[in-house]
Amino acid sequence: GAGVSQTPSNKVTEKGKYVELRCDPISGHTALYWYRQSLGQGPEFLIYFQGTGAADDSGLPNDRFFAVRPEGSVSTLKIQRTERGDSAVYLCASSEAVSGANVLTFGAGSRLTVL
Amino acid sequence: ILNVEQSPQSLHVQEGDSTNFTCSFPSSNFYALHWYRWETAKSPEALFVMTLNGDEKKKGRISATLNTKEGYSYLYIKGSQPEDSATYLCASRPASGGSYIPTFGRGTSLIVHP
Repeated sequence: GAGVSQTPSNKVTEKGKYVELRCDPISGHTALYWYRQSLGQGPEFLIYFQGTGAADDSGLPNDRFFAVRPEGSVSTLKIQRTERGDSAVYLCASSEAVSGANVLTFGAGSRLTVL
Repeated sequence: ILNVEQSPQSLHVQEGDSTNFTCSFPSSNFYALHWYRWETAKSPEALFVMTLNGDEKKKGRISATLNTKEGYSYLYIKGSQPEDSATYLCASRPASGGSYIPTFGRGTSLIVHP
């Protein structure tokens, strides 16, 4: 696609519910990143994929968070038993390859509100 | 994990003013510094990538410098316009660690008043 697409753009859910957030990266981009931005904070790293595998998931806050990228393209971030503290903007980004100089191309984010 | 700091947190200027803000990062294990602009309701957009000490990059009225020895980068905007209003994020990428995971600062929120 022309850019990184994230759906839904807004999600309101109740505490304890399950949520899925989808990211469709730029075609051909092998690296895919998930970040979370809470109010007043910078984007916080969650997980990074190189191809289909999660190369670094050290940023996932706990085992309620999980992400997949089964075919090396679209990725889904899954949050179980949501808590109010999970409310944030979830950003997805992709880049051509694992290289320190390659910039990230971001989606517009999915704003999650847990009531 | 790198600690990236940005200052000021927010900035209000008048149209036509020139302004600058700072990104500081640990100078050890440094590989690249990125600047992004994030306008409300849009995607963060890459402005610059810098890797070498002394690098200077320019894009229209916006420019950036890099000092890797002391661990800071400045972003300058000359003759600010209302359309420059956005949050400016910097991110530092490490030289080792395999994944080159960018670590972001909190951003500087710039508001340019007409």
